[in-house]
Amino acid sequence: NAGVTQTPKFQVLKTGQSMTLQCAQDMNHEYMSWYRQDPGMGLRLIHYSVGAGITDQGEVPNGYNVSRSTTEDFPLRLLSAAPSQTSVYFCASSYRGTGNQPQHFGDGTRLSIL
Amino acid sequence: AQRVTQPEKLLSVFKGAPVELKCNYSYSGSPELFWYVQYSRQRLQLLLRHISRESIKGFTADLNKGETSFHLKKPFAQEEDSAMYYCALRGYQKVTFGTGTKLQVIP
Repeated sequence: NAGVTQTPKFQVLKTGQSMTLQCAQDMNHEYMSWYRQDPGMGLRLIHYSVGAGITDQGEVPNGYNVSRSTTEDFPLRLLSAAPSQTSVYFCASSYRGTGNQPQHFGDGTRLSIL
Repeated sequence: AQRVTQPEKLLSVFKGAPVELKCNYSYSGSPELFWYVQYSRQRLQLLLRHISRESIKGFTADLNKGETSFHLKKPFAQEEDSAMYYCALRGYQKVTFGTGTKLQVIP
């Protein structure tokens, strides 16, 4: 019963490097989203998707790209990592019947940019 | 714009004492509100939603549109309630979270 799986769990990058955070869900959920969690700021929405082929920006999309080629996968790409992107990243999913309110979260990816 | 405010970063209560975690919101439409909880070393999970008017693990929350609040309450705190609690508001196609309140239940 995997639910939402995020990889990697930890990553250290140098400024300017690029990388992709992976997110996969096995519940056939239409809605998927990416959040970042920073101390004192709660969770902030980066990007979200309401279905395969459809993505949109959240509150803090700058510096991140997403795509949704399949229902299962929703990768988050950092194009050129910056120290301000040091954070814990969470992927979440939900089925359309609940609207876009996230029901299932992954374990998170702790990302440090040096 | 939609906004969720949780004024307390940390709330410490003794075991058996009542708990109230505050949440205020700002939204021009008809709000849908939720509480999420994150226990130590566990995933963030949905605790309850105002539409369901349910009680989960002894917690309840009532939506007060006049005061734009959705406070989370429990009459008698238990040690296992210690966790991070997030209030969230669902607007058009997105969900906004508050900054969270850490609840510490003292034995």
